[in-house]
Amino acid sequence: DADVTQTPRNRITKTGKRIMLECSQTKGHDRMYWYRQDPGLGLQLIYYSFDVKDINKGEISDGYSVSRQAQAKFSLSLESAIPNQTALYFCATSDSGRSAQYFGPGTRLTVL
Amino acid sequence: GENVEQHPSTLSVQEGDSAVIKCTYSDSASNYFPWYKQELGKGPQLIIDIRSNVGEKKDQRIAVTLNKTAKHFSLHITETQPEDSAVYFCAASIGPDKLIFGTGTRLQVFP
Repeated sequence: DADVTQTPRNRITKTGKRIMLECSQTKGHDRMYWYRQDPGLGLQLIYYSFDVKDINKGEISDGYSVSRQAQAKFSLSLESAIPNQTALYFCATSDSGRSAQYFGPGTRLTVL
Repeated sequence: GENVEQHPSTLSVQEGDSAVIKCTYSDSASNYFPWYKQELGKGPQLIIDIRSNVGEKKDQRIAVTLNKTAKHFSLHITETQPEDSAVYFCAASIGPDKLIFGTGTRLQVFP
């Protein structure tokens, strides 16, 4: 969905490096999410935010942190990347009171 | 917590045939069930969703059915076309904040 953008689209890094993935949206939604996708495992929720002052852990938050800089921006950080964090990462948004979530194009992260 | 199982993991059909993908969920409090289509190199795209107070919903060639008693829901695609080839994910949610996804079905439609 062009209304949700993610940068970078691809990133290769080394073990121990700090990495930040960024998400921006122009949909005007107040809720934002970060998911991780591994082959054969579907999507797993890392963190979610209902507004700028609200951050919540998802199923697999260990090793990750997030920052909600504005209603339209939500960043995911890997403080010290490790190889098993190699995956596709997706940002999603939704409007409060409505359940549908809309996904960005994803970031392919490789940790060597 | 909620768990969603999805079957089959792969599905091959001839163009024009129908395709059915099934999901079961564990938490009877789940009340929202979306389906997503993911094409290669793209993010999941919402294609249809259903709430627990509805048994069936249709949108052109796609339909979703929900059986709350059995805790399962299905995606039906009729008159399949090559552009329907993708990975399809079901999901279930108790509220608007957390979606629990199935593991995906790779659908291939052969001309």
